[in-house]
Amino acid sequence: EPEVTQTPSHQVTQMGQEVILRCVPISNHLYFYWYRQILGQKVEFLVSFYNNEISEKSEIFDDQFSVERPDGSNFTLKIRSTKLEDSAMYFCASRPANYGYTFGSGTRLTVV
Amino acid sequence: QQQVKQSPQSLIVQKGGISIINCAYENTAFDYFPWYQQFPGKGPALLIAIRPDVSEKKEGRFTISFNKSAKQFSLHIMDSQPGDSATYFCAASTRMYAGGTSYGKLTFGQGTILTVHP
Repeated sequence: EPEVTQTPSHQVTQMGQEVILRCVPISNHLYFYWYRQILGQKVEFLVSFYNNEISEKSEIFDDQFSVERPDGSNFTLKIRSTKLEDSAMYFCASRPANYGYTFGSGTRLTVV
Repeated sequence: QQQVKQSPQSLIVQKGGISIINCAYENTAFDYFPWYQQFPGKGPALLIAIRPDVSEKKEGRFTISFNKSAKQFSLHIMDSQPGDSATYFCAASTRMYAGGTSYGKLTFGQGTILTVHP
């Protein structure tokens, strides 16, 4: 069964550093997403990406965040200057034209 | 108005019992209601989903009941098994199409930790 692949599975970074979280969505999917889950809390929407541009973003997704789909296969989330409160599990997801999402296994980001 | 409220926060049932998790929403524009199952260290996995034109959907041991007038929906797990022990999230979304107001953003409930004792 096709999977959404995320790397790395765990990243530790110092406050103020830039991080790039990487995702390989399912190849024939059209819509791409990043969500995050702070430990013990609900999953929160960050951003959706369609037709090579951001289609929707949440209030969490401020100027410190950016997304790219540089080569037609990878989908990245960049956090420019990490803060302690950015520590969370970040999930990439993709879906085809119908409703079905597939989530990756996530990247646990720890900011120290 | 975008919130989805889920209860209970945690649930313990015996093997073979019925697990029931409830969700309520406010936004009447929501028209897709999935349930996700999440095991520790993994991403949410779609379990079952319903659209508001039906009141019930069943897949194996999992059933969604949907009450449009009350703006509530629930997940029933029949014959619960220890392997069902996981966190369950309800979610909701508005119609996903280009040019619409939403590109499929999911609004999640707070999650329910289900423990099924053998």
